[in-house]
Amino acid sequence: DGGITQSPKYLFRKEGQNVTLSCEQNLNHDAMYWYRQDPGQGLRLIYYSQIVNDFQKGDIAEGYSVSREKKESFPLTVTSAQKNPTAFYLCASRAGIWDEQYFGPGTRLTVT
Amino acid sequence: SQQGEEDPQALSIQEGENATMNCSYKTSINNLQWYRQNSGRGLVHLILIRSNEREKHSGRLRVTLDTSKKSSSLLITASRAADTASYFCATEGDSNYQLIWGAGTKLIIKP
Repeated sequence: DGGITQSPKYLFRKEGQNVTLSCEQNLNHDAMYWYRQDPGQGLRLIYYSQIVNDFQKGDIAEGYSVSREKKESFPLTVTSAQKNPTAFYLCASRAGIWDEQYFGPGTRLTVT
Repeated sequence: SQQGEEDPQALSIQEGENATMNCSYKTSINNLQWYRQNSGRGLVHLILIRSNEREKHSGRLRVTLDTSKKSSSLLITASRAADTASYFCATEGDSNYQLIWGAGTKLIIKP
């Protein structure tokens, strides 16, 4: 099956800890994205990568970091510098610019 | 930054009725896309309409685009309980290679 996987589905962490969210795709897509979604709101872009070993900040990159060492993988680290990390995190990919995006099932992160 | 604004924020209709959702945006676009999100899940792409297109169909879905009014509408005909979800529009410009998302319309289909 082709698609995007995110793990884990639910993640709980204590305040002050860094946590890494996994995103893997086997669609052979060049571009990958990380979004944050808060209750009742739309998606806000955290980081995106259009090619391996390159990524750009989105609208809300502060407190987050990413890497893109392989085409298939785009992990997101939520650092302790992120003030309100509790949210639903969505990873997406697409083949090229102006194409539709394919989404993973999401990771719900709760920090207490 | 949010560009798309969906209207209404919430819509509740009887099964079998048609549902119409609207999206307005502010700047020129290359394309506009509609997505569906079931509660607690990832988004699913529905339709992409390019700036030189006025209407597209996919099954029970019909999307229109009016670039002069900077608006789009999504029509779901003969609604079903399974259509209950949130629907988002997203726009993409010619040069920024990012989707800009609206806050979504929550659609509830009553049996």
